[in-house]
Amino acid sequence: GQQVMQIPQYQHVQEGEDFTTYCNSSTTLSNIQWYKQRPGGHPVFLIQLVKSGEVKKQKRLTFQFGEAKKNSSLHITATQTTDVGTYFCAGPSNAGGTSYGKLTFGQGTILTVHP
Amino acid sequence: EAGVAQSPRYKIIEKRQSVAFWCNPISGHATLYWYQQILGQGPKLLIQFQNNGVVDDSQLPKDRFSAERLKGVDSTLKIQPAKLEDSAVYLCASRLAGGSSYNEQFFGPGTRLTVL
Repeated sequence: GQQVMQIPQYQHVQEGEDFTTYCNSSTTLSNIQWYKQRPGGHPVFLIQLVKSGEVKKQKRLTFQFGEAKKNSSLHITATQTTDVGTYFCAGPSNAGGTSYGKLTFGQGTILTVHP
Repeated sequence: EAGVAQSPRYKIIEKRQSVAFWCNPISGHATLYWYQQILGQGPKLLIQFQNNGVVDDSQLPKDRFSAERLKGVDSTLKIQPAKLEDSAVYLCASRLAGGSSYNEQFFGPGTRLTVL
């Protein structure tokens, strides 16, 4: 079945350093979503990318969808302590027909930021 | 707009006992999902409803897990009997449904289950 893999599993940075997490899918994706989960919290939607090579920015966060639509990345510039959490990518699974938005999540990248 | 509601927030049970979780999705959201999130992993889909019909339950351990969504609104997930490996956070999510513009899933706060 479809697999979505993320690296690194953990990333520790000093406040002000940059951070990048990478997501790779075993299959071509129609779109990819990113979620953030704060410690003890629940996943919260950040963004959806749809087009090949698409780049979207949200303040200090830059999201990119690969040309082949099989990989994606999230880059945070000048991390802050509020960026702490686990970042998940998720791709739709169309196995068996209409997916109705079924997602396969990566295992996530845990980001810790030292002040 | 109220978010996805779940209860209870925490539950501790002995193995072989039964437990039930409740979810109330965002009003008007046709699609409802139950996920299991084991510590250190991403959410894993257990079952997906479209209105009150099951769309996907391929990863639901049907010998012990069951779920229903009566009237296409609230949903309950039950485990009977529970095993130690069922210890996890059970997340409910809902989605408006429709075209690609509406793929965002809204998650509830989850129920943290500990099986002793």
